[in-house]
Amino acid sequence: GEDVEQSLFLSVREGDSSVINCTYTDSSSTYLYWYKQEPGAGLQLLTYIFSNMDMKQDQRLTVLLNKKDKHLSLRIADTQTGDSAIYFCAAYSGAGSYQLTFGKGTKLSVIP
Amino acid sequence: DTAVSQTPKYLVTQMGNDKSIKCEQNLGHDTMYWYKQDSKKFLKIMFSYNNKELIINETVPNRFSPKSPDKAHLNLHINSLELGDSAVYFCASSQDTNEQFFGPGTRLTVL
Repeated sequence: GEDVEQSLFLSVREGDSSVINCTYTDSSSTYLYWYKQEPGAGLQLLTYIFSNMDMKQDQRLTVLLNKKDKHLSLRIADTQTGDSAIYFCAAYSGAGSYQLTFGKGTKLSVIP
Repeated sequence: DTAVSQTPKYLVTQMGNDKSIKCEQNLGHDTMYWYKQDSKKFLKIMFSYNNKELIINETVPNRFSPKSPDKAHLNLHINSLELGDSAVYFCASSQDTNEQFFGPGTRLTVL
């Protein structure tokens, strides 16, 4: 089955860029997602990318996909203290499978 | 308007009790899910229902039984609660793109 890996912690200074990395194992993954979880809250979908794209930009967020290396990254420009949260990478493997496989989450801490 | 709602938000109970968590979605989605998030924040799928039929049933103790009375509701009943069941349980729903929308979570504490 699919396996999704992320580093568990990232610490950045306010105003810097944050880059959260993720790797997955199933090359047939068609959709890849980034979710954000703030303390005590549920998961909020931030952005997603189709496997036929290699980049997607949405305001301060940039998603890069390297399909050959099965590597996904989320870049947050001008990181703010409100960006402190856990970020989950998730992969969907394709038609007939309703299952999203989540990484363990990266806790982003923003230092003022 | 709340898209995916869960009740209760907090649930504190004694070991051995039976409890239920309810989930409702008003998005018109066909598929609903239950996830368990442990104390280390790791998220694991438990069940998925599509149009009221069970399609994913991960390795979960038989004490957990999902019930879907209609496609807008997926409830989770837990028998004989154990300490290790303490976690946050998330309900989610999705339609074709598999973009999943999550509920706010139910924090279950078993004493």
